[in-house]
Amino acid sequence: QKEVEQDPGPLSVPEGAIVSLNCTYSNSAFQYFMWYRQYSRKGPELLMYTYSSGNKEDGRFTAQVDKSSKYISLFIRDSQPSDSATYLCAMMNTGFQKLVFGTGTRLLVSP
Amino acid sequence: DTEVTQTPKHLVMGMTNKKSLKCEQHMGHRAMYWYKQKAKKPPELMFVYSYEKLSINESVPSRFSPECPNSSLLNLHLHALQPEDSALYLCASSQVGTGPNQPQHFGDGTRLSIL
Repeated sequence: QKEVEQDPGPLSVPEGAIVSLNCTYSNSAFQYFMWYRQYSRKGPELLMYTYSSGNKEDGRFTAQVDKSSKYISLFIRDSQPSDSATYLCAMMNTGFQKLVFGTGTRLLVSP
Repeated sequence: DTEVTQTPKHLVMGMTNKKSLKCEQHMGHRAMYWYKQKAKKPPELMFVYSYEKLSINESVPSRFSPECPNSSLLNLHLHALQPEDSALYLCASSQVGTGPNQPQHFGDGTRLSIL
């Protein structure tokens, strides 16, 4: 079993839809959770960073962490074609510098 | 544009060549990282430098040799690479210190092709 599970997609939605991206993990020591967006031929871009359970909102993006269920989510409201990219969840332990990534979900938002 | 700058953006080299990848950041971060990313896969950690000292080597073959000349620069020296080493090589940086871990910020990578 992988430490972090993420559906690779692709996930296809129409413009304006609410998108839900999810990851589950098995290591209860993970304390820090990130979502990265990666466009083709570019590096991962940090979207959201949280280190506690609960919700964090930034513009159209909301990150949700449920440590009791070992489940994290990223919601994108009013999705745009420019949101089409691969979304990677990542997490790490306290004191460790090694990020553990999910496989990434490819999102396609059609006009 | 990212705050982590990598050069060159593309590199094609033969298996007998020696080349270097360069990474630079001016965010005052004291941890720097090299990752390798194959197509449709997540990044895989190769090396971590903290305060200019190598702290993590993920059992990377010796044909990859990292170097951190100062707190802003990170190099990856390449020699006698194999075709399977063709990939996107990503550099990242983060703050280090007491308190909560800090997130890593990535450059746009060097796309390496081995002939």
